[in-house]
Amino acid sequence: QQQVKQSPQSLIVQKGGISIINCAYENTAFDYFPWYQQFPGKGPALLIAIRPDVSEKKEGRFTISFNKSAKQFSLHIMDSQPGDSATYFCAASRDDKIIFGKGTRLHILP
Amino acid sequence: DGGITQSPKYLFRKEGQNVTLSCEQNLNHDAMYWYRQDPGQGLRLIYYSQIVNDFQKGDIAEGYSVSREKKESFPLTVTSAQKNPTAFYLCASSISRSQVNTEAFFGQGTRLTVV
Repeated sequence: QQQVKQSPQSLIVQKGGISIINCAYENTAFDYFPWYQQFPGKGPALLIAIRPDVSEKKEGRFTISFNKSAKQFSLHIMDSQPGDSATYFCAASRDDKIIFGKGTRLHILP
Repeated sequence: DGGITQSPKYLFRKEGQNVTLSCEQNLNHDAMYWYRQDPGQGLRLIYYSQIVNDFQKGDIAEGYSVSREKKESFPLTVTSAQKNPTAFYLCASSISRSQVNTEAFFGQGTRLTVV
C-alpha cells in the first residue's frame, strides 16, 4: 500500500528524443506527486510536481501526465539533451508521509 | 546563501567505530530528515524531526541515532551496530513535515565508506 513502483530502472535516449519514466502507486490517499532530479554526487532537487486534480502539468520541456483512475503518473522529457542525464525519482506524499520510487538512471546520447 | 550544508562530503569509518554526519540548514525549516541511498534502492528514511528536541524513527533506524537540539542542526550518528553502513547519506528539510507537499530541499550528501 505504501509502495511507489518506478520504471524503467535505466533508460538510454538519443539527443532530441523523448524520455518517458513511469510510476505507479497503491495508496489512493496520496495527494502530491513530485519528481526529483539528481546528478552524480549531488542531492536530489525538485524538478516538477503535480496534484491529482489535474491530468497534466508542463514546465518547459518537462511534463507530468497523471492518470488517477489507473494510479499512475509519468514524466516526459521532450527534446532530451545530454545535460538531462541524471537519476530521476518519482514520489508520492500526503501529510506527513512521502514515499520515493527507486529511481531511473537516464542517459542521453550526444 | 540559503540551503542545507552536509559535512563532510566523504567519510571513512573503521569497523566498530561510531561516526557523526553533520547537517545544518539556514532555511528556517521546522522539519528535517535523514535518508540513506544505495544503488537501486532509492531513498530510504532513517529518522525525521518535526520540531526541536523531538524526532521519530523512519523505515531503517536500526544502528543510527540523531539529535535535534537546535532548529538548524540535525546530526546523524552511524553506530557500530549498523552492520552495513557504506552508503550515500542525504539530509533534507521542509517547512513542516505536516506539509510535505511543499518542496523538500536536500543537501549535497555524505558518502560514508567502511574500511
